[in-house]
Amino acid sequence: GAVVSQHPSRVICKSGTSVKIECRSLDFQATTMFWYRQFPKQSLMLMATSNEGSKATYEQGVEKDKFLINHASLTLSTLTVTSAHPEDSSFYICSARGMGSSTDTQYFGPGTRLTVL
Amino acid sequence: AQTVTQSQPEMSVQEAETVTLSCTYDTSESDYYLFWYKQPPSRQMILVIRQEAYKQQNATENRFSVNFQKAAKSFSLKISDSQLGDAAMYFCVTHLYNFNKFYFGSGTKLNVKP
Repeated sequence: GAVVSQHPSRVICKSGTSVKIECRSLDFQATTMFWYRQFPKQSLMLMATSNEGSKATYEQGVEKDKFLINHASLTLSTLTVTSAHPEDSSFYICSARGMGSSTDTQYFGPGTRLTVL
Repeated sequence: AQTVTQSQPEMSVQEAETVTLSCTYDTSESDYYLFWYKQPPSRQMILVIRQEAYKQQNATENRFSVNFQKAAKSFSLKISDSQLGDAAMYFCVTHLYNFNKFYFGSGTKLNVKP
């Protein structure tokens, strides 16, 4: 149980285009989903927290107009990188926090490697 | 905010030996949870072990166990009978009960030598 999928696993796009990344909790309902960014050989950096049906909460320094987050249902959250630039190239990871007895545990998706040319 | 410190950027252990990864944290909260996650080369984050701060008994999961010292705010991970598949980055993570956020340490890279 507690499986989180992320799609796509890898994406290459041209500078100026937008890219959407999907995060799904497959076998549980997620009250909260988190979006992280990870640079090579570094820890995860929290970008934003999204709760189903409400606006995402962004961490300081993260541009909310550039990184659009939608949490339309208890099993799906999306991250859209708008007008992507080469500096947005990174590894993006989502996680989901479940309902019930495992609410204090987050389960991670496999990540999305974004390369902006 | 809460800080999580992993003072060992990299460690090595011989296969079948035991290794301990250190983690300290700083919080004024009394209710929180502690986790160890591993991130192998595939970069999929995998939950290794979970500890509730209100429990005095140390959590164990097969070859993995923790030494939780609440007063010292220390949460170390012991891996017994190390296996090649244990090679990964290990992150110590805390979660405050009343807040909707998880805090990560900087990670410890574990190498397992055959």
